[in-house]
Amino acid sequence: EVQLVESGGGLVQPGGSLRLSCAASGFTFSNYRMHWVRQAPGKGLVWVSHINSDGSSTTYADSVKGRFTISRDNAKNTVYLQMSSLRAEETAVYFCLTDLVGGRNYWGQGTLVTVSS
Amino acid sequence: EIVMTQSPATLSVSPGERATLSCRASQTISSNSAWYQQKPGQAPRLLIYGASTRATGIPARFSGSGSGTEFTLTISSLQSEDFAVYYCQQYHNWPFTFGPGTKVDIK
Repeated sequence: EVQLVESGGGLVQPGGSLRLSCAASGFTFSNYRMHWVRQAPGKGLVWVSHINSDGSSTTYADSVKGRFTISRDNAKNTVYLQMSSLRAEETAVYFCLTDLVGGRNYWGQGTLVTVSS
Repeated sequence: EIVMTQSPATLSVSPGERATLSCRASQTISSNSAWYQQKPGQAPRLLIYGASTRATGIPARFSGSGSGTEFTLTISSLQSEDFAVYYCQQYHNWPFTFGPGTKVDIK
């Protein structure tokens, strides 16, 4: 069974940093691209970042470029999102998800990041 | 950045009726579009990818069509579990982008 479990969310002050983790199991993690998507309370989905299967290529939404860094450790089946200079408007549930795996993709349950003083 | 727009914002439908949701891309994206369903408190679920391919385990009442800039999700006969918010997404160019969503509620 494929599982994605995010962790690392919490309360952080504006301008602060946080690192999210997403632990994967049930599939060959090192074969697939991974993504982060966020959703502010009561709002829509916003794609944040992606990393390719071996970690050599990454992309970011313009709004987070230069402040967020995605990385992965294929030995630990984990993808990370390092977030810095956080803003109040980035309060959201952050989801990690896979690319297509066998005709579907998989999402974690999400981790809530609250940026507030 | 490719902007995705969806219409209508809210669609009120009776159970058993057909629902048609629209999505438009600001530039051509070939067939590189997907549709997601999201219920409150849950992660989104992929319904359609490649504009018209149902994801694994998705019922046949869900169908997608379109290419280029215009896309449609059709739910042929709405079931009670289908009342939710639906998002389209493009994955033709980075950054991938989502539409604002269409809420399908009970009429």
